[in-house]
Amino acid sequence: GAGVSQSPSNKVTEKGKDVELRCDPISGHTALYWYRQSLGQGLEFLIYFQGNSAPDKSGLPSDRFSAERTGGSVSTLTIQRTQQEDSAVYLCASSLGRYGDREAFFGQGTRLTVV
Amino acid sequence: KNQVEQSPQSLIILEGKNCTLQCNYTVSPFSNLRWYKQDTGRGPVSLTIMTFSENTKSNGRYTATLDADTKQSSLHITASQLSDSASYICVVSGFASGGSYIPTFGRGTSLIVHP
Repeated sequence: GAGVSQSPSNKVTEKGKDVELRCDPISGHTALYWYRQSLGQGLEFLIYFQGNSAPDKSGLPSDRFSAERTGGSVSTLTIQRTQQEDSAVYLCASSLGRYGDREAFFGQGTRLTVV
Repeated sequence: KNQVEQSPQSLIILEGKNCTLQCNYTVSPFSNLRWYKQDTGRGPVSLTIMTFSENTKSNGRYTATLDADTKQSSLHITASQLSDSASYICVVSGFASGGSYIPTFGRGTSLIVHP
């Protein structure tokens, strides 16, 4: 596609439910990043993929968070047993190479609300 | 700990005026510094990128400066327009283990341009 696509754009879920967020990166981009942005906060790094592997998972806030990437393309971020503090906008970005070398392009984000 | 501090937190200016946003960082070792513009409800868009050897970089009415010795950067906006109203995020990438470049995000400066 022409840009990074994320779905759903909005998700409201009940506390304790699991959610899956999807990211379709720009075709050919090998690097993929997940971030989250809580209200009034800056962007918080979650995880970075190079191809299908994740050399850096240091940003995942707890073991309720996991992510995978298949075929070097689509990635899903899964949050299990959601908590209210998980409410945030989750942004995905992709780039041709490692983030620092090449410009990263962001999706529009998924706004997650846990009630 | 790698940190990126931005100031001011918010700025309100009149259309047509100039303004300067500041970014101080402690990321080490340093790879590059980017300024992003994030319109409300949208993903961030890259404005400029600078490496260690670059002191200034322009993109239209946006001019970024970098002082790698003092670890400071500024983003100067000339002849502001209403469409400049957005959050401006400073992102500094440093080398991480495994050869990846993990970015550290500032919290952003919210700029409001009044007619």
